[in-house]
Amino acid sequence: DAKTTQPPSMDCAEGRAANLPCNHSTISGNEYVYWYRQIHSQGPQYIIHGLKNNETNEMASLIITEDRKSSTLILPHATLRDTAVYYCIVRVAGNQFYFGTGTSLTVIP
Amino acid sequence: SAVISQKPSRDICQRGTSLTIQCQVDSQVTMMFWYRQQPGQSLTLIATANQGSEATYESGFVIDKFPISRPNLTFSTLTVSNMSPEDSSIYLCSVLLAGGSNEQFFGPGTRLTVL
Repeated sequence: DAKTTQPPSMDCAEGRAANLPCNHSTISGNEYVYWYRQIHSQGPQYIIHGLKNNETNEMASLIITEDRKSSTLILPHATLRDTAVYYCIVRVAGNQFYFGTGTSLTVIP
Repeated sequence: SAVISQKPSRDICQRGTSLTIQCQVDSQVTMMFWYRQQPGQSLTLIATANQGSEATYESGFVIDKFPISRPNLTFSTLTVSNMSPEDSSIYLCSVLLAGGSNEQFFGPGTRLTVL
């Protein structure tokens, strides 16, 4: 079962930062948080992952709270092409992914 | 990264028939997975495809309905058996690459419609 909860939808103005929250209050100490996005029923695309520390790559930043019970994905300058469903996933010990319902992000011109 | 192909990309089938979906990867992988995505829904893990042994199924999925093969490290098949309209979904495979990458890469999916 999914270990994450996310708001079902969010809007963001083009060019502004999109901050997508995720709760994972039952996460275990060795379980990673992953973020993927899915555009138009294509295969999900990897964005970023982390364990404890904040992470940044060319696509996004991931902020994980100190108690690891929640995290935030930040898209620093949202574009129209960032409109997608964003999934926050906790990777369990066997490497399986259990997807939650995700957040549908709409970037508004 | 990895290039994952799935065949067929889409199909329309009659109820009571079976369809086998293929997943091919261009890199060595350690793990392969199969997911189902029903219309308007999130992804649900069906099973982990194990090389040379029976797949490990998630709760609610059984081998008789979704037989899976994985004869080598880079290829797997999922069969949807005795189909009904409720099986209309997108079926996706994903892989975990050998070499320590922590990313799961997803295939483009197979869109199945059962009439």
